[in-house]
Amino acid sequence: AQSVAQPEDQVNVAEGNPLTVKCTYSVSGNPYLFWYVQYPNRGLQFLLKYITGDNLVKGSYGFEAEFNKSQTSFHLKKPSALVSDSALYFCAVRDIKLEGTYKYIFGTGTRLKVLA
Amino acid sequence: DGGITQSPKYLFRKEGQNVTLSCEQNLNHDAMYWYRQDPGQGLRLIYYSQIVNDFQKGDIAEGYSVSREKKESFPLTVTSAQKNPTAFYLCASTPKKHPPNEQFFGPGTRLTVL
Repeated sequence: AQSVAQPEDQVNVAEGNPLTVKCTYSVSGNPYLFWYVQYPNRGLQFLLKYITGDNLVKGSYGFEAEFNKSQTSFHLKKPSALVSDSALYFCAVRDIKLEGTYKYIFGTGTRLKVLA
Repeated sequence: DGGITQSPKYLFRKEGQNVTLSCEQNLNHDAMYWYRQDPGQGLRLIYYSQIVNDFQKGDIAEGYSVSREKKESFPLTVTSAQKNPTAFYLCASTPKKHPPNEQFFGPGTRLTVL
């Protein structure tokens, strides 16, 4: 079965420092991976996705993610963190267990706190 | 202006009452989803629908019901059989494409049982 894991409940980083939010996945077949951000009492906003092609995916708000097939990881990164990046981040994978089934599986989320 | 809307934003319910959460999208998406979010547990899938007049149970469907009579609408009813309904509910949609698209999320409804 497809799954994603976010091993860190919370990540703290100083403003201006690089940030990494980790995600590992387990899929059969080609992985379709996504990152979302959620601000308090709001819906999720899409950041970026990996479907195929370049292993480094660039997304919204200066975020990028590196797809690593050998390590089955899809870590979210940003070169210089902003206080406004503080939010809850979710990694997700599209479940391809059944032909034509459009289900998505989410990790448990990582709270990012950027300290001024 | 395309998007996905949920109403109401906040909802209070007495124990034993059924309540219906609204989800509407004007993105012409085929697939729609309902998730429940509790602190520290991420998103859990309640129901999803890939086409009008058809829907499937997700991982935590007990105590919930849905309908999909129109492509743009996917209301969720939280019944009195749901033991602990206080949570944040999120609706999402996506087009049925390959390779797959990201999901588009509504702003959420926070349900509190008094």
